[in-house]
Amino acid sequence: EAQVTQNPRYLITVTGKKLTVTCSQNMNHEYMSWYRQDPGLGLRQIYYSMNVEVTDKGDVPEGYKVSRKEKRNFPLILESPSPNQTSLYFCASSLPSGKLYFGPGTRLTVT
Amino acid sequence: GQQLNQSPQSMFIQEGEDVSMNCTSSSIFNTWLWYKQDPGEGPVLLIALYKAGELTSNGRLTAQFGITRKDSFLNISASIPSDVGIYFCAGRLVGGSQGNLIFGKGTKLSVKP
Repeated sequence: EAQVTQNPRYLITVTGKKLTVTCSQNMNHEYMSWYRQDPGLGLRQIYYSMNVEVTDKGDVPEGYKVSRKEKRNFPLILESPSPNQTSLYFCASSLPSGKLYFGPGTRLTVT
Repeated sequence: GQQLNQSPQSMFIQEGEDVSMNCTSSSIFNTWLWYKQDPGEGPVLLIALYKAGELTSNGRLTAQFGITRKDSFLNISASIPSDVGIYFCAGRLVGGSQGNLIFGKGTKLSVKP
């Protein structure tokens, strides 16, 4: 089944403790991206990647890192999480047509 | 950054009623996508539009790419309880990179049986 998977789905952590949220797609898409969703603010892009080893900042990249060493994986790294990074995170991948397919989401709470 | 104005923000309707929502912008788009998000899930693609004036259906859903290329509309006919959720529009600007979509803030739909 064609899909985007994320792990973990839920995570509670403390300020400053490094964490990684994994994302994987099995559709051979070149384009992948990360979004955060917050009440009243909608979906905001954090980082995106046009292909392996090609990444760029989205609208809200501060406090996040990404890497794209393989086509199928696009992990999101929070080196030193802070409470304002408490959010619902979505990974997505895209066809050249622009159709974006989302993962199921990761709900992160930073205390 | 660029903005998409999606309206209405929320709708409370009776089962069986038709629903209309839209997204507008001052910028020109070459792609419009409509998504539905169920609680606790990721957005799911409903309809994709690529040409001005294009009208596309997916079951009871119909979406249109506005002639001016600055807007798009989604209609749901004969709503049912499982239509409940948040509907998002997303557009790709002319000259924008693949996948670099701008999202509306969503329309929350509630359906009373």
